[in-house]
Amino acid sequence: RKEVEQDPGPFNVPEGATVAFNCTYSNSASQSFFWYRQDCRKEPKLLMSVYSSGNEDGRFTAQLNRASQYISLLIRDSKLSDSATYLCVVRVSFNNNDMRFGAGTRLTVKP
Amino acid sequence: DGGITQSPKYLFRKEGQNVTLSCEQNLNHDAMYWYRQDPGQGLRLIYYSQIVNDFQKGDIAEGYSVSREKKESFPLTVTSAQKNPTAFYLCAAVSNQVPNYGYTFGSGTRLTVV
Repeated sequence: RKEVEQDPGPFNVPEGATVAFNCTYSNSASQSFFWYRQDCRKEPKLLMSVYSSGNEDGRFTAQLNRASQYISLLIRDSKLSDSATYLCVVRVSFNNNDMRFGAGTRLTVKP
Repeated sequence: DGGITQSPKYLFRKEGQNVTLSCEQNLNHDAMYWYRQDPGQGLRLIYYSQIVNDFQKGDIAEGYSVSREKKESFPLTVTSAQKNPTAFYLCAAVSNQVPNYGYTFGSGTRLTVV
């Protein structure tokens, strides 16, 4: 089993759609959780951290379920500019900053 | 602006040649990392360094070497022992002080064997 698993995708949605990405992690001692966005041939950029209580940033909502070892990202009212690959990232150990990456889910938003 | 600078952006290596990828940061972060990304795959950890003059192997260290003589700099050498070096290489840094800070990445170096 991979340490961080994501929906394989790709997701192709029309503008204005709501899309949800799921991610599971295997290490129950994981410390911190993140969603990154990676555009084609570019570096990943932090989209948002994921907090236990859930958090929202504009059209983006992240949820964490520690009991189920599950993280989600919801994008509402999708824009063409949301097209990218979304990476789920889990910080396994705070002591050595061991971060584990999912393979990513590709999203294409179409007009 | 604080950030991470990777150079060169594109690098071509001949068979049997060693090449060094540069990574410099002015974020004052203690920890620095090198990842490799292959098409359609997740990032895989090559080496990481928590403090100056110390570094640890990641999951795919064979054929690579690093040094950490200064806090700001973490160069990666791809040696001739690395049999399939064509990939996108990403350097990252992270603060040890704030648990919910993620990585900051450099813009990457795309290495191609010719």
